[in-house]
Amino acid sequence: AQKVTQAQTEISVVEKEDVTLDCVYETRDTTYYLFWYKQPPSGELVFLIRRNSFDEQNEISGRYSWNFQKSTSSFNFTITASQVVDSAVYFCALLTGANSKLTFGKGITLSVRP
Amino acid sequence: GAVVSQHPSRVICKSGTSVKIECRSLDFQATTMFWYRQFPKQSLMLMATSNEGSKATYEQGVEKDKFLINHASLTLSTLTVTSAHPEDSSFYICSARKTSRAGELFFGEGSRLTVL
Repeated sequence: AQKVTQAQTEISVVEKEDVTLDCVYETRDTTYYLFWYKQPPSGELVFLIRRNSFDEQNEISGRYSWNFQKSTSSFNFTITASQVVDSAVYFCALLTGANSKLTFGKGITLSVRP
Repeated sequence: GAVVSQHPSRVICKSGTSVKIECRSLDFQATTMFWYRQFPKQSLMLMATSNEGSKATYEQGVEKDKFLINHASLTLSTLTVTSAHPEDSSFYICSARKTSRAGELFFGEGSRLTVL
C-alpha cells in the first residue's frame, strides 16, 4: 500500500525565517513520482514540483528547494526567507502504478507572520 | 502548460437536489480523470478514477449511486452528486492525466459544494 506521512501539522514562523516541511513516503513500487502542492485559502492546488524515483538530484527554484533521499524515503521541502504569501497548506503526494493514483499526505499548514 | 477547468467553482443547493460538476481538459486529451473530495482542514481523498468510454472505478466506501461519474469524451468528465444532503458539502477537485506521459497530472481549480 502507498502511504505519505507529513508528521508536522501546523508550522508558524516569522517572515524571513527558513522553514522545512517534512515528507516521508512508503511504497513497494520501484517507479513512482513525488509531488508537492501548495493550497492557498482560495482552495486551488498549485503544483510546485514533481520528482521521479530515478532522479535523486536535489532541486532549487528561487526560494524553494527540495531534498529527495531514497535511503530514508523522504522528500523534504525547504522555503528560504519565508514570506507572508507563503502561508498556505502544503501537501506532499505520491503517485504509483500505471493508473496514476495519487496518495496525499495530510498536509502542513504553514503560517508566516510579518 | 496544461489547463484543467472545473465548473462551477461554487454551488449552493437545497437538500435533495442533484448537482453536476464538470471537469474539462482545455488543451490536451485526458483518457483518465480523477475525482477527489476534501473536507475542511483535511487532505484530499480519491473518490474515483474515470476512464474515457468506460465505467468509473470507485474507491472503497464511495457510493456509486450517490456520486455518478461520466467520462464521455477525452476532454470532459462530470461528477453528479445525486439527492445531495448537507453531509455532501465539501470541496471537490478533479485531475486529468495527460494521455502519453506517466506522472503528468493536472488539477482543476476545485468546486465548493454547499448543501443547505
